[in-house]
Amino acid sequence: EAGVVQSPRYKIIEKKQPVAFWCNPISGHNTLYWYRQNLGQGPELLIRYENEEAVDDSQLPKDRFSAERLKGVDSTLKIQPAELGDSAVYLCASSLFGTAGYYGYTFGSGTRLTVV
Amino acid sequence: GQQVMQIPQYQHVQEGEDFTTYCNSSTTLSNIQWYKQRPGGHPVFLIQLVKSGEVKKQKRLTFQFGEAKKNSSLHITATQTTDVGTYFCFNAGGTSYGKLTFGQGTILTVHP
Repeated sequence: EAGVVQSPRYKIIEKKQPVAFWCNPISGHNTLYWYRQNLGQGPELLIRYENEEAVDDSQLPKDRFSAERLKGVDSTLKIQPAELGDSAVYLCASSLFGTAGYYGYTFGSGTRLTVV
Repeated sequence: GQQVMQIPQYQHVQEGEDFTTYCNSSTTLSNIQWYKQRPGGHPVFLIQLVKSGEVKKQKRLTFQFGEAKKNSSLHITATQTTDVGTYFCFNAGGTSYGKLTFGQGTILTVHP
């Protein structure tokens, strides 16, 4: 099994430019999460999907961030326009159940974004 | 949002010494999960505790859930350099809006 696949691994962009991250969760995992992790901090939830429905986007900065999960499988997170403070690692995770259950979350390797 | 507080923030040990990190909550937790993140890596799920007073072991790692389900601990016996990383406890039952965020974790450094 491939695990949670994210791309790209690294991205360097200039401020005010758009950027998009892609995530393919583990097959059969109905719950998908996007997290942002700043250096020295724990992952911060941005959005959680149950199938194709965004059930928790309360911490997503909606003025510049958007996400979609068409057909309830893979997902895309977009930032437009990017700001210097958006530099972080963006992690995608998936789980079999909404509360992760005994199998926990499976995280992808993340996308390290640098905004210059 | 509500978070589980974890201490210490940093721990430096000599290889072979034991290590313990603690998580505390002011409210009763439905469950607690533990993750390990190696430097430059992503969090990896270790275990979930659900029952009051539950104790689980994975080789040199011992996980405990308090009787009141308000605290938990991870103990590593005889640390090795491969134990280096950040250990997070996580309230996976916090599915209310904005609560599925991890705390700062405990950064473990092991000196050979």
